[in-house]
Amino acid sequence: DVKVTQSSRYLVKRTGEKVFLECVQDMDHENMFWYRQDPGLGLRLIYFSYDVKMKEKGDIPEGYSVSREKKERFSLILESASTNQTSMYLCASTRLAGGPKFFGPGTRLTVL
Amino acid sequence: EDQVTQSPEALRLQEGESSSLNCSYTVSGLRGLFWYRQDPGKGPEFLFTLYSAGEEKEKERLKATLTKKESFLHITAPKPEDSATYLCAVQTSGNTGKLIFGQGTTLQVKP
Repeated sequence: DVKVTQSSRYLVKRTGEKVFLECVQDMDHENMFWYRQDPGLGLRLIYFSYDVKMKEKGDIPEGYSVSREKKERFSLILESASTNQTSMYLCASTRLAGGPKFFGPGTRLTVL
Repeated sequence: EDQVTQSPEALRLQEGESSSLNCSYTVSGLRGLFWYRQDPGKGPEFLFTLYSAGEEKEKERLKATLTKKESFLHITAPKPEDSATYLCAVQTSGNTGKLIFGQGTTLQVKP
């Protein structure tokens, strides 16, 4: 079975902190994605990556950056966390040029 | 503007009472339509991808169909364990992986 794991299920940070969310997949997938999910707004794409060191902005990239140094790992970075970044963050992966098929369990981030 | 709308927002069924969820879309070009199931506090679980009008896919009590304007997720004789939020998403032509998600339909099946 494909597995997408995320470094934390729950995270509490303070305003202004730099936050790292890690995602690892074990099926050699080319595509990896970071979404956030908020009530009433649904899932929104932050960034995606189709290869090592390659990235593309999604719908809401402001305040975020990403890193993909290895094929299996895709990191989301909040440069200076703000309260409006409190959300559920979901990582996903898939093979080739397809939409996300396999999601991780999510990280619920609270910024105080 | 590309848009995906799911209806109803919430649906309550008795166990065994079949029904359908709707996903209507307005996009410039459809590359694929995705259905997911999401349980509370968890990541979405992939169910189906449909690529062209007339295509159908089945998995246990679920059947997804696609027309040029909408997709239906038919649930036949549902059980309480089918209770979840069902998400629809559209991948448009020209995008390598970006999906436009609907708001979801929350299904509750009572025993």
